[in-house]
Amino acid sequence: NAGVTQTPKFQVLKTGQSMTLQCAQDMNHEYMSWYRQDPGMGLRLIHYSVGAGITDQGEVPNGYNVSRSTTEDFPLRLLSAAPSQTSVYFCASRGLGGGQPQHFGDGTRLSIL
Amino acid sequence: EDKVVQSPLSLVVHEGDTVTLNCSYEVTNFRSLLWYKQEKKAPTFLFMLTSSGIEKKSGRLSSILDKKELFSILNITATQTGDSAIYLCAVVGGTSYGKLTFGQGTILTVHP
Repeated sequence: NAGVTQTPKFQVLKTGQSMTLQCAQDMNHEYMSWYRQDPGMGLRLIHYSVGAGITDQGEVPNGYNVSRSTTEDFPLRLLSAAPSQTSVYFCASRGLGGGQPQHFGDGTRLSIL
Repeated sequence: EDKVVQSPLSLVVHEGDTVTLNCSYEVTNFRSLLWYKQEKKAPTFLFMLTSSGIEKKSGRLSSILDKKELFSILNITATQTGDSAIYLCAVVGGTSYGKLTFGQGTILTVHP
């Protein structure tokens, strides 16, 4: 069972470079989301989607873009990386029905120099 | 703005101790509260709580929700070194599809 798959696991970028973090799930979940995790701040929501073609901003959306062309995939784009975006990024998915816990990918550790 | 606050932020105990982790929240249209355990990688699901006063239990872990006072506790009895992790509390609220808001997490360290 693949669940939620994130790639890459690690990445180092230079300031100003662009990058796409990939996320795919095979559970036919409608809801997908991206979080960043920084020390002492828990998980903060960047963007989320409730289905193909529908996305919305979370708590910390600036500097990130998303799209949802299929149910399975939800890539996160950094258009011009900044050192403040150094973080661990988690993708998650769940069904929309009540009582559905989120399933997380293993994370991408991103460093911006 | 939805808010979830966990306490303590960190805790160091010895094997065999019992610990209580706290989570308080202010959320519009509360739907459920979830507890996760995070070791080296992704958070793993522990409990989902939707009703007040009903204890959820799994082995040495248990949790309960108080919707009147807006908090939840996670208890771990007879702690083991394998319980060392970050424990995250999250609340689902808002719109019908329910956005999760996470607390800062509690870092639990269990020494042998």
